[in-house]
Amino acid sequence: GAGVSQSPSNKVTEKGKDVELRCDPISGHTALYWYRQRLGQGLEFLIYFQGNSAPDKSGLPSDRFSAERTGESVSTLTIQRTQQEDSAVYLCASSSYLSGYGYTFGSGTRLTVV
Amino acid sequence: DAKTTQPTSMDCAEGRAANLPCNHSTISGNEYVYWYRQIHSQGPQYIIHGLKNNETNEMASLIITEDRKSSTLILPHATLRDTAVYYCIVSDSGTYKYIFGTGTRLKVLA
Repeated sequence: GAGVSQSPSNKVTEKGKDVELRCDPISGHTALYWYRQRLGQGLEFLIYFQGNSAPDKSGLPSDRFSAERTGESVSTLTIQRTQQEDSAVYLCASSSYLSGYGYTFGSGTRLTVV
Repeated sequence: DAKTTQPTSMDCAEGRAANLPCNHSTISGNEYVYWYRQIHSQGPQYIIHGLKNNETNEMASLIITEDRKSSTLILPHATLRDTAVYYCIVSDSGTYKYIFGTGTRLKVLA
């Protein structure tokens, strides 16, 4: 597609449930990034993919968080046993070093844990 | 930690130029300066980037000092739609991740 697509756009879940957040990057973009943005705060880096590999997972806040990417395309961020502090907007971005234009971000998934 | 420091907030009159400063005193030779903005409830949007030379595109101009320790983003004729948080980021051309600081909240006043 023309841009980075994230789904769902909004998700309300009960504490303790698992959630999956999906990101469809721009076709041909080899790099994919996940960030988290809590209300009124800046963006926190979570994880980066180059192709299907994740050389840097240092931003994942706990072992409840995991992510995968397949086919050098779609990525899924999974949060297990959600907690209220996981409530945030989860943003995905993709880039191609050939583009010279940095990242293209999606509109994010707003996760609310109740 | 973010490699940049920016003022927390700024106001600008509609139609006037908005000049947003950024300090990046620890920048190294192969690191680029990127600017993004985030309008409420949206993902950040790329504006411009540069290495050494000043850059201009349809959205803005980027002025980088000769020692590269600071830069200024210029929106030549600010409109109400330019109200947003503006992030200045320093990133190696091959680096995989940006570390976002708190940015500058620009408010364009009618």
